[in-house]
Amino acid sequence: QSALTQPASVSGSPGQSITISCTGTSSDVGGYNYVSWYQQHPGKAPKVMIYDVSNRPSGVSNRFSGSKSGNTASLTISGLQAEDEADYYCSSYTSSNTFYVFGTGTKVTVL
Amino acid sequence: QVQLQQSGPGLVKPSQTLSLTCAISGDSVSSNSAAWTWIRQSPSRGLEWLGRTYYRSKWYNDYAVSVKSRILIKPDTSKNQFSLQLNSVTPEDTAVYFCARDRVVGTTKFFDYWGQGTLVTVSS
Repeated sequence: QSALTQPASVSGSPGQSITISCTGTSSDVGGYNYVSWYQQHPGKAPKVMIYDVSNRPSGVSNRFSGSKSGNTASLTISGLQAEDEADYYCSSYTSSNTFYVFGTGTKVTVL
Repeated sequence: QVQLQQSGPGLVKPSQTLSLTCAISGDSVSSNSAAWTWIRQSPSRGLEWLGRTYYRSKWYNDYAVSVKSRILIKPDTSKNQFSLQLNSVTPEDTAVYFCARDRVVGTTKFFDYWGQGTLVTVSS
């Protein structure tokens, strides 16, 4: 099972919006609405920001939003803030015998 | 508030067994709406789902094919925790290991709570 494909890095200035893509196949991203996004700061555990493609857990800023089209999911961060600088990973349920697959990770830099 | 507290050694010799434990507070290892999961992270392999244990009238386990012949995840209801055993480790198993709760309710699936992570190094 190959990892989902994400851009290695994305950057933006404070206040701007950025979008991170996550490309898989019809066996994972395209086949299920079980895409989630995780934020990870250095030395910390991942934290869920979006689940089931576009749902936000309680306590997560509404600046974070998710969507999906075909085999590609996207995470948008609007009103970029310094605290958003972190690594972001997508994840999807998969029909393969791996059950879950993660993305390659995207480093977000706030300029 | 659910909390997961990991424990276990940070150094394991090649060919030996890696053993980690994840203690649960704020939920039950026997919950019908969760699956208790181990995930690891390394620079070479990224984030990798390893397996899970869950209770739905009886206990079930699912494992990633990459480790299926070497892994065992067990619940311990008396201590409300679950454990990971990975046999015959090699340096490629060096990673940060996380336990996590897979929230499985109706049509929802995601990892909502994570342990603090344990760096396990395989070296003689």
